[in-house]
Amino acid sequence: QVQLVQSGAEVKKPGASVKVSCKASGYTFTSYAMHWVRQAPGQRLEWMGWINAGNGNTKYSQKFQGRVTITRDTSASTAYMELSSLRSEDTAVYYCARGDYYGSGSHPHWYFDLWGRGTLVTVSS
Amino acid sequence: DIQMTQSPSSLSASVGDRVTITCRASQSISSYLNWYQQKPGKAPKLLIYAASSLQSGVPSRFSGSGSGTDFTLTISSLQPEDFATYYCQQSYSTPIFTFGPGTKVDIK
Repeated sequence: QVQLVQSGAEVKKPGASVKVSCKASGYTFTSYAMHWVRQAPGQRLEWMGWINAGNGNTKYSQKFQGRVTITRDTSASTAYMELSSLRSEDTAVYYCARGDYYGSGSHPHWYFDLWGRGTLVTVSS
Repeated sequence: DIQMTQSPSSLSASVGDRVTITCRASQSISSYLNWYQQKPGKAPKLLIYAASSLQSGVPSRFSGSGSGTDFTLTISSLQPEDFATYYCQQSYSTPIFTFGPGTKVDIK
């Protein structure tokens, strides 16, 4: 079964770090990208960054640069997102999403075709 | 950065209605536009990619159109399971992606 299974909910204090995992199954992990998207309560989806699961290259949203680190363990078919220096505004559901693309050439059409169920991260003192 | 807007922010409709949602980009993004559906407490689901390509398994009552800066998502005959929030997403500025603010479709 093709799916992404995320780790469980976390409660953290301000200033701490959180690391969320996303285990892929049912497809070749290294053939796709993995993105991280968050959604604060009642807010829009917010893209955080991605990793090329094959070569490990990453790219982060400018908003989270310096605070977010995305890694992967190919032997475990698992991607990780670590967010540091947490503040209350980081309270959100964090999703991993598989990235695939349509078309060829230097500028294909990317989209997110498979999503995890989300991990609630609560930041509270 | 490319900014995405959607209109309306919410709408009320009845089963069987034709529903149209608009997404606008702050600059031309050609056809680099995706649509997602999200139900409360659930992860988003891909509906349309590359502005008009229907994702496998998505009912044909969903369709997308547009290019440049203006795009639409149309549901030809609204079904009970379609009540949800819909988000557009630009992928033109890959590897940076931006979502719109969402349009909530609820029952009239």
